[in-house]
Amino acid sequence: QKEVEQDPGPLSVPEGAIVSLNCTYSNSAFQYFMWYRQYSRKGPELLMYTYSSGNKEDGRFTAQVDKSSKYISLFIRDSQPSDSATYLCAMSFGYSSASKIIFGSGTRLSIRP
Amino acid sequence: DVKVTQSSRYLVKRTGEKVFLECVQDMDHENMFWYRQDPGLGLRLIYFSYDVKMKEKGDIPEGYSVSREKKERFSLILESASTNQTSMYLCATLTPPYEQYFGPGTRLTVT
Repeated sequence: QKEVEQDPGPLSVPEGAIVSLNCTYSNSAFQYFMWYRQYSRKGPELLMYTYSSGNKEDGRFTAQVDKSSKYISLFIRDSQPSDSATYLCAMSFGYSSASKIIFGSGTRLSIRP
Repeated sequence: DVKVTQSSRYLVKRTGEKVFLECVQDMDHENMFWYRQDPGLGLRLIYFSYDVKMKEKGDIPEGYSVSREKKERFSLILESASTNQTSMYLCATLTPPYEQYFGPGTRLTVT
């Protein structure tokens, strides 16, 4: 079983729709939960992060973490064609000299005008 | 603004060749990483380094080696390229515990 599971999609929704992207994980020691966005032919970029459980909002984007269910979500409100990208969830254990990040496989999202 | 640069965007090599992929960062980050990205498999960690001359194996190190002689430079070496190493290779640095900065990637084709 992978440490982080993510539905690869693709997911196609009309402009203006609410998008929900999700990941599950198996290791309860994860402390930081991130979402990265990757446009075509580019490297991923950090979109949002959350420490421990709870919600975090940034403009049209909301990240949710439910540690009891080992489940994280990213919601995009009023989706735009410019949101079309691959979204990767990611997790880390916290500060350490040999830190590394565990990534999901990514969900490809397409917003139709 | 953190910058991670990779020596080539596209590379075509023949089976059996020794291949060097170079990565340079300008933000004095301790941690550097090499990933490969394949459709349906996501990002897979090949090697990482948390200090000069230090290296750790990732999830798929077989067929690869790395070199970190200077803090800003992290090289990935394919000792004898094979067709199953055709992939997108991404270099990254890390500001612990969560912010990873990626280069633009090198699309390697081995024929």
